Amino acid sequence: GENVEQHPSTLSVQEGDSAVIKCTYSDSASNYFPWYKQELGKRPQLIIDIRSNVGEKKDQRIAVTLNKTAKHFSLHITETQPEDSAVYFCAASGGNQFYFGTGTSLTVIP
Amino acid sequence: DVKVTQSSRYLVKRTGEKVFLECVQDMDHENMFWYRQDPGLGLRLIYFSYDVKMKEKGDIPEGYSVSREKKERFSLILESASTNQTSMYLCASSFSMTANTEAFFGQGTRLTVV
Repeated sequence: GENVEQHPSTLSVQEGDSAVIKCTYSDSASNYFPWYKQELGKRPQLIIDIRSNVGEKKDQRIAVTLNKTAKHFSLHITETQPEDSAVYFCAASGGNQFYFGTGTSLTVIP
Repeated sequence: DVKVTQSSRYLVKRTGEKVFLECVQDMDHENMFWYRQDPGLGLRLIYFSYDVKMKEKGDIPEGYSVSREKKERFSLILESASTNQTSMYLCASSFSMTANTEAFFGQGTRLTVV
């Protein structure tokens, strides 16, 4: 089955700096890669996703890149703000189920 | 707006009890999932269902069963609760296998087994 690895497990950045979270996957059949943000005590919510026919996608301060050859994808957050502090999960899906990474706890220091 | 609703936010049960966790979605999604969330382990799939009365084991099905009698409802059953099943349980739904779109999550049920 699919195996998704996520790094780092914790990340602290100064407000205004950029944050990068990286994930790798093993199954070349995976073709959909969502990223979820989970604030403390709340449910995970989708913040951005990318499909295998696209190399990069941006939404304001958030971007995701995908390298199918290397089987890795990354989340980039620019100009971080305190409200970006949360746990972020990457996932990979080939259609039957979602395989999640173990999460990255991001802290943005004001 | 898709809504996935879990019946309880917090539950405390005794060892050996049979426990039911209920999840309802209102968007006619075909797929429904039950995950367990533990610190440092991320989201681990217990069971999923892609149609009424259909179920598939995930990565950690031992000690759990599921029921999907209606499309909108997916129940997780702990046949005999044990302390190592103390955890946060998250239900999710997605449109279909072929569409391969995002999963929407419920608010979670924090289960404590004493």
